[in-house]
Amino acid sequence: TQLLEQSPQFLSIQEGENLTVYCNSSSVFSSLQWYRQEPGEGPVLLVTVVTGGEVKKLKRLTFQFGDARKDSSLHITAAQPGDTGLYLCAGEYRMNRDDKIIFGKGTRLHILP
Amino acid sequence: KAGVTQTPRYLIKTRGQQVTLSCSPISGHRSVSWYQQTPGQGLQFLFEYFSETQRNKGNFPGRFSGRQFSNSRSEMNVSTLELGDSALYLCASSSSRAETGELFFGEGSRLTVL
Repeated sequence: TQLLEQSPQFLSIQEGENLTVYCNSSSVFSSLQWYRQEPGEGPVLLVTVVTGGEVKKLKRLTFQFGDARKDSSLHITAAQPGDTGLYLCAGEYRMNRDDKIIFGKGTRLHILP
Repeated sequence: KAGVTQTPRYLIKTRGQQVTLSCSPISGHRSVSWYQQTPGQGLQFLFEYFSETQRNKGNFPGRFSGRQFSNSRSEMNVSTLELGDSALYLCASSSSRAETGELFFGEGSRLTVL
């Protein structure tokens, strides 16, 4: 069974601080996606990482895919209240010739002004 | 272009009733997936349809069913509702023929079962 563990589950920090959230698994994924979900809305894709060791930057957000393609991290620099939300990672893998996707339970981030 | 539209946004039902939720995908998208989101379990995959065919199914009981129409719109139905079915039901559409690829989510239908 494929599992994605996200940590921490909750994080509350002051505006301007830096933070890192993690997405870990014992399984290998062909790619990994990060989504952000705000209250009352559906998740919105932030980034997809495909290659082991890949690093992608989206303004103040830096995403990294582990060398072995089993884990990923999201680093936010100088967090702002607008970064508040539920961050979900989703891993894509192949099973029985079918492409599948599994979601972690998410990290709920709250940035205090 | 218009995003994924889900209706109704909110609904309250009682145990034993049944419910039908609707999802209109982004124009041109032929893949529609359904997810159940709860605080304890996170996002759990229900099923996925492509060109009116169920391509994949998650580990949910037979009370959960779905279908897709020729215009790619999809519905899901939950029969004999239980308290534990209270959740946010999210629909996602994708332009990719494969199950994976970027998912565009709707705002969800929040179901409360009393």
